Amino acid sequence: AQRVTQPEKLLSVFKGAPVELKCNYSYSGSPELFWYVQYSRQRLQLLLRHISRESIKGFTADLNKGETSFHLKKPFAQEEDSAMYYCALITGANNLFFGTGTRLTVIP
Amino acid sequence: GAGVSQSPRYKVAKRGQDVALRCDPISGHVSLFWYQQALGQGPEFLTYFQNEAQLDKSGLPSDRFFAERPEGSVSTLKIQRTQQEDSAVYLCASSLVPEETQYFGPGTRLLVL
Repeated sequence: AQRVTQPEKLLSVFKGAPVELKCNYSYSGSPELFWYVQYSRQRLQLLLRHISRESIKGFTADLNKGETSFHLKKPFAQEEDSAMYYCALITGANNLFFGTGTRLTVIP
Repeated sequence: GAGVSQSPRYKVAKRGQDVALRCDPISGHVSLFWYQQALGQGPEFLTYFQNEAQLDKSGLPSDRFFAERPEGSVSTLKIQRTQQEDSAVYLCASSLVPEETQYFGPGTRLLVL
């Protein structure tokens, strides 16, 4: 069965500091992983997906199949990065399987 | 362009009442998904439509939950005889084709008293 683990429910960093949001997964198939973000009073939206290998808003994530991880990183956090972040895995049935989320707070 | 819309945005129901939640996907999107998000949790898959066909309903928690998309556009999630444990945010998402990016609606927050 699939599982997505985000070990930190809350994460606080100072503005300008590096940030890393952890995500580990378990899936028997070939994984396709995503990061979704939800800013205050906004809807859930896609931040990035591993197959596109894009950098969005300065965030990157590398799929590490050996460690079954897909950690989200940004070298210099900004106040506008404060949000709820969800790591998700897509199954063969095309539905997303989400972790429990990490609330990131960037302290000015 | 218009995104995914959902109505109502908030719904308070007494235990035992039936509720109907509506989702208007992005025009032309073939795939439509329903998710349930309990407080402090990530969204959990409920059901998936490709056009009007319900291809996966494995996530529906009980036979009190029913979803339809009769014309391949608007979808309705119906919950019969609501229970307190049904209190959650119900999210709808659509994608142009199944494997493409899912775009989420604002959700319907259901509170069952």
